[in-house]
Order: sequence, then structure tokens, then C-alpha cells
Amino acid sequence: AQSVTQLDSHVSVSEGTPVLLRCNYSSSYSPSLFWYVQHPNKGLQLLLKYTSAATLVKGINGFEAEFKKSETSFHLTKPSAHMSDAAEYFCVVSDYNNDMRFGAGTRLTVKP
Amino acid sequence: EAQVTQNPRYLITVTGKKLTVTCSQNMNHEYMSWYRQDPGLGLRQIYYSMNVEVTDKGDVPEGYKVSRKEKRNFPLILESPSPNQTSLYFCASSTSGASSYNEQFFGPGTRLTVL
Repeated sequence: AQSVTQLDSHVSVSEGTPVLLRCNYSSSYSPSLFWYVQHPNKGLQLLLKYTSAATLVKGINGFEAEFKKSETSFHLTKPSAHMSDAAEYFCVVSDYNNDMRFGAGTRLTVKP
Repeated sequence: EAQVTQNPRYLITVTGKKLTVTCSQNMNHEYMSWYRQDPGLGLRQIYYSMNVEVTDKGDVPEGYKVSRKEKRNFPLILESPSPNQTSLYFCASSTSGASSYNEQFFGPGTRLTVL
């Protein structure tokens, strides 16, 4: 069975500093991995996805993530945080038939 | 505009009073799904549907029913709601389910409170 662990429930950074949100996965198959963002009182929006092509995936709003099979990780990064990045972020693994498993989420706070 | 819509967005009800949350998508997607979101637990899948007249249980199906009579609609039914079903509910859709690559498109959510 596949699963996802987001290693931090809350991350706080200052505006202009780098963001790192950590995600480890477990899957019996070659997984697809996603990062979704949820702004307050909003639905979920896809940030980026990995589907066995390039291991470094670029997404919207300057975010990127690197798939590391040896470490079973898919960490999300951004070089410089913006106030508008404050939101909850979900790492998701999917192996087949759209069986998507969500992590518990990481709440990102951005301080001025 | 391509979208997933849910109604109502907010609902307060009482224990035992049957309710339905509607979900509709205009993208001609085969796959649709319902999730509930609870603090510290992320999203958990309730039911999903690979196509019309095909539904299956997710991780937390107890107390819920669904139907898929038309491709675009996937209502979630709570026959006898209980307080532990107080949650934020999301409907999602995607193209054919026989692939791990397809992103899911999410509705705006329905916040349900059961007193």
C-alpha cells in the first residue's frame, strides 16, 4: 500500500528566504507524485507533478520539487518566499487507478 | 470555464436528517471522487467512481452513499448524519482513472456541521 509522510506539520519562514517542505513516500509501484496547495477557504490547486520524466519538476509560482528514488523523497522548494505563499501544502502519491494518498499537510507561514 | 462545482458550500444540520451534497463537473471527466478533510489527517477518500454506474469505496465510506447516473454529476448522500461527519468535503474529477498520471481537479469544498 502506498503512503505519504509530510515531515513537518508547520513551517515558518521570513519573506524572501528559501522554503523547504519535506515529503517522503512509500509505494510498491513507480509512483506519480503531486504537490497541491490550499489557500484559506479555498479548494486545492495543483502546484506540480512528477510522472517519471525529469526528476526535477518545475511548477507554478516559482516552486519546484525533486524526485529522489533512493531517498523516497519529493521535497518542495522555492528560493524566495512571498507573503502570498502562506497556505497549506499537500504531498500526494498515486500509483494506479487514481488511488491518490494525501499527506497530512504542512502549513506554511510567511513572516514579513 | 472548466470547473468542479459543489453545493451547498456551507451546511449546518442536525443528527439524523438526511442530506445530499451535489457535485458537478463540466470537463467530461470519467473519474470522480469524494474526500473529507480533517485537521491533521489530510484528505481521505470516501468514494470514487471510474465512470457512469461504477462506484467503489474509498478509505472512509461508512455513513455515506454515492451515485453516478450521469457522467457530470456525483452526489454525496448522508442518510443519517452524525456529529463525527462534521468535516470539510471536496469533490474531485479527472480523466480516465486507468493511469497514475492524471491530476485531479477539486471543487471549492463544502463545510458541513452536524449538531
